[in-house]
Amino acid sequence: SQTIHQWPATLVQPVGSPLSLECTVEGTSNPNLYWYRQAAGRGLQLLFYSVGIGQISSEVPQNLSASRPQDRQFILSSKKLLLSDSGFYLCAWSTGSRNNSPLHFGNGTRLTVT
Amino acid sequence: KQEVTQIPAALSVPEGENLVLNCSFTDSAIYNLQWFRQDPGKGLTSLLLIQSSQREQTSGRLNASLDKSSGRSTLYIAASQPGDSATYLCAVLTSGTYKYIFGTGTRLKVLA
Repeated sequence: SQTIHQWPATLVQPVGSPLSLECTVEGTSNPNLYWYRQAAGRGLQLLFYSVGIGQISSEVPQNLSASRPQDRQFILSSKKLLLSDSGFYLCAWSTGSRNNSPLHFGNGTRLTVT
Repeated sequence: KQEVTQIPAALSVPEGENLVLNCSFTDSAIYNLQWFRQDPGKGLTSLLLIQSSQREQTSGRLNASLDKSSGRSTLYIAASQPGDSATYLCAVLTSGTYKYIFGTGTRLKVLA
């Protein structure tokens, strides 16, 4: 069966420090991969998605970046965090036909920038 | 640009009631619509997926309907229980894209 792993679960970082969040999917190949951010009391904002190795689409211009070094690995990074980067970061994957392809989420990373 | 709206934003009902959550979207050209549940501080759990060619899907006490032409979906929860308390979100996958766009959710509280 397919599983998604996301870590760390919580993270407290000072302003200006770098960030690296990792997500891996097991049990499937060539998944579509997504990074979402959920601010307190708000909906999910799509940040990046990838339909293949090395292919990254950015939805929101900001100081975050994403990379997909391997088929089932998706990394969210920042060189210098801002206070506004605080939030709940969720990785997700889907595969197969877009008509019948559920989106599956990891457990999320709670990021607090101080 | 696809926009997804959920009404109401919050709902509090006594245990045992049947209830309906609403989701509307502006672009009817979609591949599918999905309903999720999110418990506080947790990730999202997929509840139901309705393909664009389908009218409804059922899972246990949950029934989701889709009216693509009017840009609406409803999630019907029968005989609500305190364990149903959570935030419910809908998301649409717009045709020609890989982007799932989410509504802001309905926060449901079922009182014992």
